[in-house]
Amino acid sequence: QRQLVQSGAEVKKPGASLKVSCKASGYTFTDYYLHWVRQAPGQGLEWMGWINPKSGATNYAQKFQGRVTMTRDSSISTAYMELSGLTSHDTAVYLCARDMGSERVDDAFDVWGQGTMVTVSP
Amino acid sequence: QSVLPQPPSVSGAPGQRVTISCTGTTSNIGAGYDVHWYQQLPGTAPKLLMYGNTNRPSGVPDRFSGSKSATSASLAITGLQAEDEADYYCQSYDISLSGSRVFGGGTKLTVL
Repeated sequence: QRQLVQSGAEVKKPGASLKVSCKASGYTFTDYYLHWVRQAPGQGLEWMGWINPKSGATNYAQKFQGRVTMTRDSSISTAYMELSGLTSHDTAVYLCARDMGSERVDDAFDVWGQGTMVTVSP
Repeated sequence: QSVLPQPPSVSGAPGQRVTISCTGTTSNIGAGYDVHWYQQLPGTAPKLLMYGNTNRPSGVPDRFSGSKSATSASLAITGLQAEDEADYYCQSYDISLSGSRVFGGGTKLTVL
């Protein structure tokens, strides 16, 4: 079945960088955009950006531009999200999600990873 | 303040009907972009509940329905069940935010 499996929880120091992976299975990796969403403790969902696994093109939310980098390795059907300059405000669960492949800009997210808890603490 | 305001909480007794609103602007819902809804049970990833304003993915009970008007959308749940207790998020696209997907602030549904 279609599945996204993320890397495990991490603890980081302020100022460090973070890299989370998201491995796809059960579908053709390059056929669907992959998005990253985060959720701070007790808070709502926040969209961070997307990557086109076929071309490697990316689009980042304005809030994260200059600090986030999304990449992929199509040979192993895996996407990565790297966030630099971490602060305590970056403590959150980071989720990857696949869009439905309609090629509409307002497409929904139909497959989600299980989430990766990242804690930023001195 | 979320780009798509939702009520922080709603509640209802088992069997009752509740609705959750999602208020947009002419930059997102009012511009004709689709609204989607997600259900998030405690400690789990969100699950797609409704897509394209009114469409249920396979496996979602028909107790859940979606609607959209000029600049807002709603999720209705009839025949409330204890298992419906969760957080619900709307999501759309906003043309004024450099191609951003946007989420509502989320609504906590409590089944009394």
